Amino acid sequence: GQQLNQSPQSMFIQEGEDVSMNCTSSSIFNTWLWYKQDPGEGPVLLIALYKAGELTSNGRLTAQFGITRKDSFLNISASIPSDVGIYFCAGRGAAGNKLTFGGGTRVLVKP
Amino acid sequence: EAGVAQSPRYKIIEKRQSVAFWCNPISGHATLYWYQQILGQGPKLLIQFQNNGVVDDSQLPKDRFSAERLKGVDSTLKIQPAKLEDSAVYLCASSSRPPGGTDTQYFGPGTRLTVL
Repeated sequence: GQQLNQSPQSMFIQEGEDVSMNCTSSSIFNTWLWYKQDPGEGPVLLIALYKAGELTSNGRLTAQFGITRKDSFLNISASIPSDVGIYFCAGRGAAGNKLTFGGGTRVLVKP
Repeated sequence: EAGVAQSPRYKIIEKRQSVAFWCNPISGHATLYWYQQILGQGPKLLIQFQNNGVVDDSQLPKDRFSAERLKGVDSTLKIQPAKLEDSAVYLCASSSRPPGGTDTQYFGPGTRLTVL
């Protein structure tokens, strides 16, 4: 089946830093989505990308749909403490609405 | 607008017992999804409903898992009998595709199941 590989698996951030994470797939996707999940909650949609090459921003978040349609990245600029959480990429293929999720990138605050 | 509601939030059972989870989607959302999220992993789709019909249940372990959405609104997911490896968070999501638009799935808070 389709698999999405997210990296890094975890990262530490310091307030004010820019961070980035990416997602790669062996299959082509028509849609890339980025979600954030806080403890005890369901994932919340951050950014949706619908076209290869598309670059979309949502506040301090910027995401891009890779030209090959097999990858996507998410950048967070000027991180703040509430950026802590788990970020998931998800891809949707040509058939139906089924989403395939990556394993997540856990963002933690540097002690 | 109220979000996706799920209950219970937490459930602890022993292996071989049965358990059921309930989901109330966002009002008017025709599509409902159940996902399984094992600790440290991303959500995995178990079943997708469009109104009261099943669209995709290819990853549902049908020997022990069942789901229904009889009136096209609320849904229940049942596990019978439970195994240790069923310990996970079960997420419900719903979506409504507007005319000419794209699908956005809204997730509930999930039910955390622990099987002892």
